[in-house]
Amino acid sequence: GAVVSQHPSRVICKSGTSVKIECRSLDFQATTMFWYRQFPKQSLMLMATSNEGSKATYEQGVEKDKFLINHASLTLSTLTVTSAHPEDSSFYICSARDRVDGYTFGSGTRLTVV
Amino acid sequence: GQQLNQSPQSMFIQEGEDVSMNCTSSSIFNTWLWYKQEPGEGPVLLIALYKAGELTSNGRLTAQFGITRKDSFLNISASIPSDVGIYFCAGGLSSGTASKLTFGTGTRLQVTL
Repeated sequence: GAVVSQHPSRVICKSGTSVKIECRSLDFQATTMFWYRQFPKQSLMLMATSNEGSKATYEQGVEKDKFLINHASLTLSTLTVTSAHPEDSSFYICSARDRVDGYTFGSGTRLTVV
Repeated sequence: GQQLNQSPQSMFIQEGEDVSMNCTSSSIFNTWLWYKQEPGEGPVLLIALYKAGELTSNGRLTAQFGITRKDSFLNISASIPSDVGIYFCAGGLSSGTASKLTFGTGTRLQVTL
């Protein structure tokens, strides 16, 4: 089946620094990928839709200058959390859609900002 | 953002019991998906439904796409300890690759021996 690889799985960073999270579709091409954020004991909330070769589409309330998304190839999207603050600590998950299995999710990245 | 209403919020059941959970929406979807998430992991697809009224099984799991296209349910028969986790429904609007999903609030399942 389709596989989406997300890296890193865990990251701890200092307040004010930036963190980059990678999402790769390993065995299929994904023109569109999705980035979600999940706080403890809550559901997944869509942050943005990442489109290969064009600008990402952000959900209402998500700061595009803080959460930079780049989708430079058909198999890679990156999310950069810029000038991270403790309130940005969360579980970030990406997903991509392939034509066989539907929406496949990465294993998530636990971001802790100290 | 919008979330789908999922119930129950949590369940504590004994091994061997059947489980039923449902998901409702105020708006129509043309795709319903059910996922299971374990701690520290991303969601894993259990069942996908693409047609109103569709009833689909995957082993001990059965899910149905409501006729009104505003709801779906998931049943788990003869639960086992490894069924523990959080179950999410998700609704989608089109078959295109750019169609985004809206997630339910989740049902936390605990199975006791």
